[in-house]
Amino acid sequence: DAGVIQSPRHEVTEMGQEVTLRCKPISGHDYLFWYRQTMMRGLELLIYFNNNVPIDDSGMPEDRFSAKMPNASFSTLKIQPSEPRDSAVYFCASSLRRGNTEAFFGQGTRLTVV
Amino acid sequence: DQQVKQNSPSLSVQEGRISILNCDYTNSMFDYFLWYKKYPAEGPTFLISISSIKDKNEDGRFTVFLNKSAKHLSLHIVPSQPGDSAVYFCAASRAGGGADGLTFGKGTHLIIQP
Repeated sequence: DAGVIQSPRHEVTEMGQEVTLRCKPISGHDYLFWYRQTMMRGLELLIYFNNNVPIDDSGMPEDRFSAKMPNASFSTLKIQPSEPRDSAVYFCASSLRRGNTEAFFGQGTRLTVV
Repeated sequence: DQQVKQNSPSLSVQEGRISILNCDYTNSMFDYFLWYKKYPAEGPTFLISISSIKDKNEDGRFTVFLNKSAKHLSLHIVPSQPGDSAVYFCAASRAGGGADGLTFGKGTHLIIQP
């Protein structure tokens, strides 16, 4: 398996534009997580899905952020409209099950909003 | 409110010596702990984990120690090698119920000097 695949690797956009980040989890993994990494807050969980259903979105910072998982092999994180403070590295991760198991991370998308 | 704390942003260790990375947590509901390693421009990769029913777990050069009463865990790397230079994240989860996803510390940048 190629692991968790995220695209794009880098995204530069202007403030106010819509940004869509994409993720393909590892096949067979039931859980998918979106994390954001910033210098100030470190790695923080934004939202996670179980069997394509959003379970906990309490980490989503604002209504400008939304995430979907239309099927088991694809998820998107959308920011509309984007703001400079959204600049961060966004990671997608997947895991086989809840509980005592590690999550596997993608390489991340570095988002810069100017 | 940081529930997982890594108080040393960076640590410099000579090659061949022992590296000790520390992590403290505040949430007594955490019962599963993990260490991740991250190289620049890559996603975190799982290194080693420990369940709260144990106080030690060893995997090759890596050993994690858990002191539940102190809410403290540490990662020992011995002997340290140049390839160990990376950012190390401590993470915790509540495997027995409640929220899924991992709560991360802010990381410790380990630098192995030749």
